[in-house]
Amino acid sequence: ETGVTQTPRHLVMGMTNKKSLKCEQHLGHNAMYWYKQSAKKPLELMFVYNFKEQTENNSVPSRFSPECPNSSHLFLHLHTLQPEDSALYLCASSQDLLSQNQPQHFGDGTRLSIL
Amino acid sequence: AQKITQTQPGMFVQEKEAVTLDCTYDTSDPSYGLFWYKQPSSGEMIFLIYQGSYDQQNATEGRYSLNFQKARKSANLVISASQLGDSAMYFCAMREGNFNKFYFGSGTKLNVKP
Repeated sequence: ETGVTQTPRHLVMGMTNKKSLKCEQHLGHNAMYWYKQSAKKPLELMFVYNFKEQTENNSVPSRFSPECPNSSHLFLHLHTLQPEDSALYLCASSQDLLSQNQPQHFGDGTRLSIL
Repeated sequence: AQKITQTQPGMFVQEKEAVTLDCTYDTSDPSYGLFWYKQPSSGEMIFLIYQGSYDQQNATEGRYSLNFQKARKSANLVISASQLGDSAMYFCAMREGNFNKFYFGSGTKLNVKP
């Protein structure tokens, strides 16, 4: 069983819908991440949070809005998405941003399809 | 320039044979970490092995070893005694001194044949 849980596993939504992706980690980590994985493209880092504070926004369009209420939970709020936003969205966590040798632990991802 | 390059989109290996997955990286930072992940069709990214830029020895973890050639900026993953369950996508990743940044390669799809 993964220490990082993502819900839902699959999501189909229209371009005008509002939905949220949820991520929860049970590893006691302090840093959390959102990634986008599109077909035949490298993983794209979207956001980084460290101790609930956003430390990185990798030029992500404002239709993606992250929220980190505490170190264990991370949300990605979606609004007015485009068809090119269809992808696998992966959440990850790591001990913190100081420990270089600590890997990121990933969830199973949410497969998002925009109609 | 790409930070991580994986030149093998797909690889085949016979069960019980060894296989090497290539990874080259680009950084001017003297402090960095290199990671390999496995992604089965289920989607989860599974951490396999880590190599630090200052590590003197190549990392090993069970059947996984990392052939680290710093001067060439390469960090190839070697899987010994391949198993059918090793069939998956494999990603090389790098974390630079600015630890907010975590770069992934485009991946190599490994197929293990019985």
